[in-house]
Amino acid sequence: QKEVEQNSGPLSVPEGAIASLNCTYSDRGSQSFFWYRQYSGKSPELIMFIYSNGDKEDGRFTAQLNKASQYVSLLIRDSQPSDSATYLCAVNMDSNYQLIWGAGTKLIIKP
Amino acid sequence: IAGITQAPTSQILAAGRRMTLRCTQDMRHNAMYWYRQDLGLGLRLIHYSNTAGTTGKGEVPDGYSVSRANTDDFPLTLASAVPSQTSVYFCASSDGNEQFFGPGTRLTVL
Repeated sequence: QKEVEQNSGPLSVPEGAIASLNCTYSDRGSQSFFWYRQYSGKSPELIMFIYSNGDKEDGRFTAQLNKASQYVSLLIRDSQPSDSATYLCAVNMDSNYQLIWGAGTKLIIKP
Repeated sequence: IAGITQAPTSQILAAGRRMTLRCTQDMRHNAMYWYRQDLGLGLRLIHYSNTAGTTGKGEVPDGYSVSRANTDDFPLTLASAVPSQTSVYFCASSDGNEQFFGPGTRLTVL
């Protein structure tokens, strides 16, 4: 069964520090990887996607992909209270653009 | 404003009743999806449609049906609601990469 695993948290990080969110996936043939942010009571919104091994940076956010270890992470630098949300990892494991979703990690940024 | 709309925002439904959740997008995306989100389980795919006129079953399709008569609309029907279908339902559409989500429908089946 195709799976995406995330630590449910909550992960508590002081304001201004680096928040590190992790995700593992079961299908070695997976091609594309997504991080979504979901505020309480709201719908998910895309933060970043990554296709190739290595790092991809966008502002305060960096996605890291290691296909050999089947591991993808999201780093948030200079964490702000507004970053407090649940972060969902999603993986495309076939050619249908369908995503397999992790259950999400709840992140709390403490002022 | 471009995006996805869902209706109703929330609904309380008696068990055994039929219910249709509506979803409309104006981005001309070919692919559309219905998910349910339950605490601790993340998003689970109910049904999907890769293009108008075609639909497919996702991870948890039992008790639900969909249709895709045109590009914009993708309604989800519960033929006879049961309490285990209490959940938050999200409709999404995709341009092949990013999935865009509607605001969700909170459904309670009593």
